[in-house]
Amino acid sequence: ILNVEQSPQSLHVQEGDSTNFTCSFPSSNFYALHWYRWETAKSPEALFVMTLNGDEKKKGRISATLNTKEGYSYLYIKGSQPEDSATYLCALLNPPRGNQFYFGTGTSLTVIP
Amino acid sequence: SAVISQKPSRDICQRGTSLTIQCQVDSQVTMMFWYRQQPGQSLTLIATANQGSEATYESGFVIDKFPISRPNLTFSTLTVSNMSPEDSSIYLCSVEASPGSPLHFGNGTRLTVT
Repeated sequence: ILNVEQSPQSLHVQEGDSTNFTCSFPSSNFYALHWYRWETAKSPEALFVMTLNGDEKKKGRISATLNTKEGYSYLYIKGSQPEDSATYLCALLNPPRGNQFYFGTGTSLTVIP
Repeated sequence: SAVISQKPSRDICQRGTSLTIQCQVDSQVTMMFWYRQQPGQSLTLIATANQGSEATYESGFVIDKFPISRPNLTFSTLTVSNMSPEDSSIYLCSVEASPGSPLHFGNGTRLTVT
């Protein structure tokens, strides 16, 4: 089992604040890292697929970076809005186990209006 | 992207009973998976549902407890058998359009066992 850790576990920010959280993973045999957003009563939705060291991906106000050598990825949200409130999950793809994804426990973000 | 219908969305069940969760995809997919998220834990893969053959279970999960059917490329069921309170979780089906591509998930089944 690969240990994927996310921090913080939960976060409350004011509307308009920018925030970021971390996904840490074993740096050996890296293949890909996915970020998902999971809103209450909905299905998890893919945000980014990160594959190369130094990758930076952006979708609107949300962006992510990847450092495979040290084993971490950051997710940034600029100017948080209430609709950003969700649990953000990262998942490490481990090809030797076929399509096995190892998920972190998630960061629960609440944006206070 | 695939649209996945999962039902029931939630259920409260008695200890010792079984619940079958259904997952319907609007297109044919090769890879279909069942995940579980227990309270405070990460999403954990239960098994890969294989069309026309037995599911591939991950360590810690067995067919007697979590029988899975996959009669075709658009449908699968997961049964949680002889339930105990420890089975209270969110159960999610997911599909992968191509190897390494992002997973698409159903809305999940929130199961409470009393």
